[in-house]
Amino acid sequence: DQQVKQNSPSLSVQEGRISILNCDYTNSMFDYFLWYKKYPAEGPTFLISISSIKDKNEDGRFTVFLNKSAKHLSLHIVPSQPGDSAVYFCAARAGGNTPLVFGKGTRLSVIA
Amino acid sequence: DAGVTQSPTHLIKTRGQQVTLRCSPKSGHDTVSWYQQALGQGPQFIFQYYEEEERQRGNFPDRFSGHQFPNYSSELNVNALLLGDSALYLCASSSSPLEAFFGQGTRLTVV
Repeated sequence: DQQVKQNSPSLSVQEGRISILNCDYTNSMFDYFLWYKKYPAEGPTFLISISSIKDKNEDGRFTVFLNKSAKHLSLHIVPSQPGDSAVYFCAARAGGNTPLVFGKGTRLSVIA
Repeated sequence: DAGVTQSPTHLIKTRGQQVTLRCSPKSGHDTVSWYQQALGQGPQFIFQYYEEEERQRGNFPDRFSGHQFPNYSSELNVNALLLGDSALYLCASSSSPLEAFFGQGTRLTVV
């Protein structure tokens, strides 16, 4: 039973355009959501997070939107750059320092 | 601040052997979690240590064990290695729910 789902295994976007990565979850106890970027042969790099008391969090080119009623979140990258090409993981936790539950990831390719 | 560091970065072991992986958390972080990432999958939670105690455990067999030291560094031990244990092993440290920082991982290959 996959509690965090990233239904798009891959996404290609042109440089300068918006990248939108989606994530759905099933566990209504999740109240913190995190996005990570992963390059080959490296560990995941923390990008941005959001608490369930908010519906939007922005950090530079990265914005995360949370729709609790739909149990859906999305990561927007604007403008997309070739260096953004990586695998992006959505993760969630059900409060405190509970374990992170990850999706399977979406491979983003930004084409120059 | 060196961030989360793991050692070794790669290793190859034979079926049936035992392995120990090491992790030093980010400065100021007291909680260390271990994850296994198989090819094409997201990281899967193995266990978490806080104040030198295993606080939570995922769905992994007893062959997987760990330890946390007073300086918050941690070890992951895997006994009786199986081919299916081949994966990237990730350590993460945190001090709040809204963040968790990962090391570069240890790539374990079991032959």
